[in-house]
Amino acid sequence: DSGVTQTPKHLITATGQRVTLRCSPRSGDLSVYWYQQSLDQGLQFLIQYYNGEERAKGNILERFSAQQFPDLHSELNLSSLELGDSALYFCASSVGASGAMNTEAFFGQGTRLTVV
Amino acid sequence: EDQVTQSPEALRLQEGESSSLNCSYTVSGLRGLFWYRQDPGKGPEFLFTLYSAGEEKEKERLKATLTKKESFLHITAPKPEDSATYLCAVQAAGSNYQLIWGAGTKLIIKP
Repeated sequence: DSGVTQTPKHLITATGQRVTLRCSPRSGDLSVYWYQQSLDQGLQFLIQYYNGEERAKGNILERFSAQQFPDLHSELNLSSLELGDSALYFCASSVGASGAMNTEAFFGQGTRLTVV
Repeated sequence: EDQVTQSPEALRLQEGESSSLNCSYTVSGLRGLFWYRQDPGKGPEFLFTLYSAGEEKEKERLKATLTKKESFLHITAPKPEDSATYLCAVQAAGSNYQLIWGAGTKLIIKP
C-alpha cells in the first residue's frame, strides 16, 4: 500500500459526459501528479500541483482540469468525454516539488475510466 | 530533446535465469533516475532512485546500477512473482525536473 488513495476505482460513463477523479496523497506529501495510461501505452504526465498551486503541465487536454485543495487532496476533472479518453488515470504524490532531492513519487492504484 | 529508452520491450526467462534490463537516457542535467515496477492494472511501485554514475542499490533479487549514459536493472535468480513491467524514469534540469518515462520492459518469468 503506497498510502495514496484514489477514488473511484472504476468509472463507466457515456461520451460527452463529465467526471471527477479524486486523489488523497500520502500524509506529509505536498506534490500531487496526475498521469494517464492508455492500453499498452506508457505513462503520460498530465499536470502537477505543489501545495495548492499548479507547478507543471504536461500533455493535458483543454477539456481536462485539475486542482489541489487546502487539505492537499486533488481532483481531476474530465469533460466532454470521448471514447479515446478511456484509460487508467493515476495520481502520485511526493514530499517535495520537482527539482528537489528525494522526490520519489508514490502512485495510487488508479481509476479505470471507460467511456462508452 | 531529453529521451529515455528501455530495452528489451519484453523478456521471457525461466525461473532462476538471471538477466538485465536496460534504460538508456539522453538528458541534460540529470538529477535522478528512478526504477518502478508495475503489475497489470495497478499503479507503479517505487523501487530505486540513483543519483550519480557508479551508484548501486539492491533490493532482494534486484540490483540497479547507473552510468553516465544508462542504467541496468539486474535480476538474479528470478521467481514467477517478479513478472511485471519495469519502468525507468529520469528527472533532469533540461525538462524542468519533470519525470521522463521509458516505455517499460515487460518481464515474464516462467516456472
